[in-house]
Amino acid sequence: DAGVTQSPTHLIKTRGQQVTLRCSPISGHKSVSWYQQVLGQGPQFIFQYYEKEERGRGNFPDRFSARQFPNYSSELNVNALLLGDSALYLCASSLWTGRPYEQYFGPGTRLTVT
Amino acid sequence: AQTVTQSQPEMSVQEAETVTLSCTYDTSESDYYLFWYKQPPSRQMILVIRQEAYKQQNATENRFSVNFQKAAKSFSLKISDSQLGDAAMYFCAYTTGANNLFFGTGTRLTVIP
Repeated sequence: DAGVTQSPTHLIKTRGQQVTLRCSPISGHKSVSWYQQVLGQGPQFIFQYYEKEERGRGNFPDRFSARQFPNYSSELNVNALLLGDSALYLCASSLWTGRPYEQYFGPGTRLTVT
Repeated sequence: AQTVTQSQPEMSVQEAETVTLSCTYDTSESDYYLFWYKQPPSRQMILVIRQEAYKQQNATENRFSVNFQKAAKSFSLKISDSQLGDAAMYFCAYTTGANNLFFGTGTRLTVIP
């Protein structure tokens, strides 16, 4: 079975632009979470989606938004990019039973804002 | 607010030796879960081991084991018989039933041949 996949692998954008990152969960997983990992730090939680509904949101500005599709894949959108948005964006999928089962991470998308 | 602290930015260990990575956390919850994740240079985050707070027995996965001290809010990872492939960033993480993970800042482990 394929693991969590993310696209693109790398991305370079200019300040003020908008970006869309994509994630496909492991087959059978209905929950997708997004994390931001700034260089030298641990990942920080951005969003969690389950059954196309937002189930959790971290402390990020409204420039960050996400959605989940009927096939459980997900997109993360970031508007009006700032230099500080440069980071590795990780997607994780899990089974949802209301208990914190293991999250399986994708390889990430490296976003560079210049 | 939940916080996870890893006080060792870097650690090194000789191949075949044992190393312990430290983690402390702060929470007012009674039901929660703790994890150790490994992130090799290839970036893919991999789960190493998990511990349920309600279980008194420390979790073990092959060469990896934890020392969970609930009263002290401490959750250390012991790697026995260290191998070159163990070299990576190790992150301690915490979650409640909300399913989102809170991570520490990580410990970079170097394995010396």
